[in-house]
Amino acid sequence: AQSVTQLDSQVPVFEEAPVELRCNYSSSVSVYLFWYVQYPNQGLQLLLKYLSGSTLVKGINGFEAEFNKSQTSFHLRKPSVHISDTAEYFCAVSESDSWGKFQFGAGTQVVVTP
Amino acid sequence: EAGVTQFPSHSVIEKGQTVTLRCDPISGHDNLYWYRRVMGKEIKFLLHFVKESKQDESGMPNNRFLAERTGGTYSTLKVQPAELEDSGVYFCASSQEGFGELFFGEGSRLTVL
Repeated sequence: AQSVTQLDSQVPVFEEAPVELRCNYSSSVSVYLFWYVQYPNQGLQLLLKYLSGSTLVKGINGFEAEFNKSQTSFHLRKPSVHISDTAEYFCAVSESDSWGKFQFGAGTQVVVTP
Repeated sequence: EAGVTQFPSHSVIEKGQTVTLRCDPISGHDNLYWYRRVMGKEIKFLLHFVKESKQDESGMPNNRFLAERTGGTYSTLKVQPAELEDSGVYFCASSQEGFGELFFGEGSRLTVL
């Protein structure tokens, strides 16, 4: 069985400051890793994904994440946030033979203030 | 191109009543998924359709939940009878065959009183 842990339920951050959202997972099989974002009153939107290859993954809106197999982590970062980055962010894991069947973390609410 | 559409956006019902949620996937997407987020908890997988067939329904909580996908197009999720613990947001997502990106709808919020 898999599990996904997002260590921070809420992250306040000032505009133009960097942000890192932490995600750790556990699984006994190969997995794919994802970060999704949910803006207010919208559906989930894919930010980025790791399937294989380079462990540093770049996504939309200036976000990037690094897959660390030894630490079973997939932390999300952005060097400079905007007010519009205020949203809830979800880390998700899918076993390699179950595409689309995600195990989500509990979510991290990012609040960007001026 | 239209995205994944869910209806209703919000439903308030009494315990014991029946509710049907509908999802219209993106045209041409064979894969359709249902997820649920109960208040304060993780988003949980419910089931996965490939066209009109249930590929995986391991996440369905109990037999009060019935999902169908007519002709491989839209899908419905019926809860009968609804219980208080069924309250939450129900998300639908669709993707093309293979390793296609999942596109999520805005969700249907269900409140059971």
